[in-house]
Amino acid sequence: SQTIHQWPATLVQPVGSPLSLECTVEGTSNPNLYWYRQAAGRGLQLLFYSVGIGQISSEVPQNLSASRPQDRQFILSSKKLLLSDSGFYLCAWRITNSGNTIYFGEGSWLTVV
Amino acid sequence: AQSVTQLDSHVSVSEGTPVLLRCNYSSSYSPSLFWYVQHPNKGLQLLLKYTSAATLVKGINGFEAEFKKSETSFHLTKPSAHMSDAAEYFCVVSPPRVGGNEKLTFGTGTRLTIIP
Repeated sequence: SQTIHQWPATLVQPVGSPLSLECTVEGTSNPNLYWYRQAAGRGLQLLFYSVGIGQISSEVPQNLSASRPQDRQFILSSKKLLLSDSGFYLCAWRITNSGNTIYFGEGSWLTVV
Repeated sequence: AQSVTQLDSHVSVSEGTPVLLRCNYSSSYSPSLFWYVQHPNKGLQLLLKYTSAATLVKGINGFEAEFKKSETSFHLTKPSAHMSDAAEYFCVVSPPRVGGNEKLTFGTGTRLTIIP
């Protein structure tokens, strides 16, 4: 069965510091991978998605970036965090030949102080 | 184009009574529809999905939803609420085909509170 791992689970970072959130999927090949952000009291916002290694599509212009160095690894980064980057970040995956159900990781809480 | 509206931001029911969480969608095609549940500080878990098969969809934990094309609705129901059902629920609409860049549209969520 497929599993998704996301870490760290919680993170407190000062303004201006770098960020790296990592996500890996096991038990599947060539998944589509996604990063979502959920701000307090708001819905989910798609930040990035990837259909393959090195292929990143950005949905929202911001100071975040994403990379996919391996088939089942997806990394969310920032060089300098802003206060507005605080939120709950969710990694997700789906595979194209089994319908369009999307599966989520457990999330990472980022607080920028 | 597609959109989804969750009609209630907050629903409170007593334990043992029925649950109804309302979702209306707008789509220019036959969509796929999903309900996800999110417990505090957790990721989203799939409850059920509709993908153009049976219009009454049964999910986990006793939840079900009925796709009504004429009403463009996909309401989530459960006959008897349990304390463990307290969570945030998201209705999601998606195009029916998957090619990589299909966009899922999430509702803003309904917070379900269960009164003991």
